[in-house]
Parts: sequence; structure tokens; C-alpha cells
Amino acid sequence: ILNVEQSPQSLHVQEGDSTNFTCSFPSSNFYALHWYRWETAKSPEALFVMTLNGDEKKKGRISATLNTKEGYSYLYIKGSQPEDSATYLCAFWKGNTDKLIFGTGTRLQVFP
Amino acid sequence: NAGVTQTPKFQVLKTGQSMTLQCAQDMNHEYMSWYRQDPGMGLRLIHYSVGAGITDQGEVPNGYNVSRSTTEDFPLRLLSAAPSQTSVYFCASRQGLQFTYEQYFGPGTRLTVT
Repeated sequence: ILNVEQSPQSLHVQEGDSTNFTCSFPSSNFYALHWYRWETAKSPEALFVMTLNGDEKKKGRISATLNTKEGYSYLYIKGSQPEDSATYLCAFWKGNTDKLIFGTGTRLQVFP
Repeated sequence: NAGVTQTPKFQVLKTGQSMTLQCAQDMNHEYMSWYRQDPGMGLRLIHYSVGAGITDQGEVPNGYNVSRSTTEDFPLRLLSAAPSQTSVYFCASRQGLQFTYEQYFGPGTRLTVT
């Protein structure tokens, strides 16, 4: 993988469902992975910054895991609520650069 | 703290016009950057700065200039607007030079070039 890929592109779930999505990134020369939550008409808001293989981070009902050896991160939302509706972006920082490479995001819609 | 602020929120330009998008942060962050967001594409880095007086190009720098005379301000100049520059522009900053710090985004500027 040369770039950051996110799947699925979009997801529709019912309120109360748990869901997860994937961010894949180049596994060589890994430095950090960011997750952002981006609501429509607002700006991206940082959720997690992950740096170590095996990292698990949690914020309320949202959690993330990181596997740097195989080049993927999962974002989980437990008991989705309508206010979780947003696009979730991941971004990869490859060492020796000053640039974050963003994926195109997973758009989540939670129906009441 | 106001965080990262951007002006204007919306702008319509005619082809060939020039303008400056303003970005300011009050968090004393060293690193600032400009991204553009286009449908179906991830945020793409235009230019960035690792401190006052230092700027560098990102992925899509053509048609844009930046300068960083103070820590707080990082304006983006469109030299001669083209329809391909119709986009939403986000300014971002973070505390240190390492990407282990969270990045903070401004509210965005929606630019249309006709």
C-alpha cells in the first residue's frame, strides 16, 4: 500500500448498533496515525494520535486499535447514536517527512 | 483561546483575480499548514511552515504562495485564480514539529472561482 486507504467509503447503521471501520497504511517507516471526526459544515476534530504497535485508545464509546506491522488501524463505535454521524478520517505520518497523508474517510450515518 | 481562525468563510472570485486567505492561531503553535478538500479526495497539503520565516511545499503547491512572518499568522495567496482552485480550504496547526501532536483545524474557507 502506497497511500492511506479507508473502508468502507460509507456506512448506514441503526441507533444502538456497534460498528467499525478500517484504515490501511504503508507499514514501513511508520511514525504516527491520526483519527479525526469530521461533521458536515464543521472542521475535522482530532480523536486519537497513535504511535505504538498494539496501541489501543478510547474516548467514550469510540475506541481505536493499531497494528503497525501489518499496516492497519480499526476504529470502533459502540452503541452508535445519531450524533455520531460524521466522516471519520485517518491520516498517516511517514517518518522523515513533514506531511500527514489523509485517507478519503468513512462516512457514517446513524438512523434513529 | 480562539484556536485556529480563518477568514473569509466564503469567497467567489473570477478567473484571474488574486486574493489572500487568512489564517491565525493563538496557541503559539510552531507548525501550520494549508489543505484543500475536494469531493472524493482526501485532504491534500498545499504548503506548510515549521516556524516563522520557514515555509515549504506540500503535495499541490502550484498556484499558491505562503509566507510566515509571525508565529500566529499563515496567509495563503492565490496568485491568479483558476476554476480548478474551487475548493474548501482548511488551515491547521499543531504544537510541535512532531506528528505525535494533535492537529487543530480552522473552520474552513469555501472558495468558488468562476
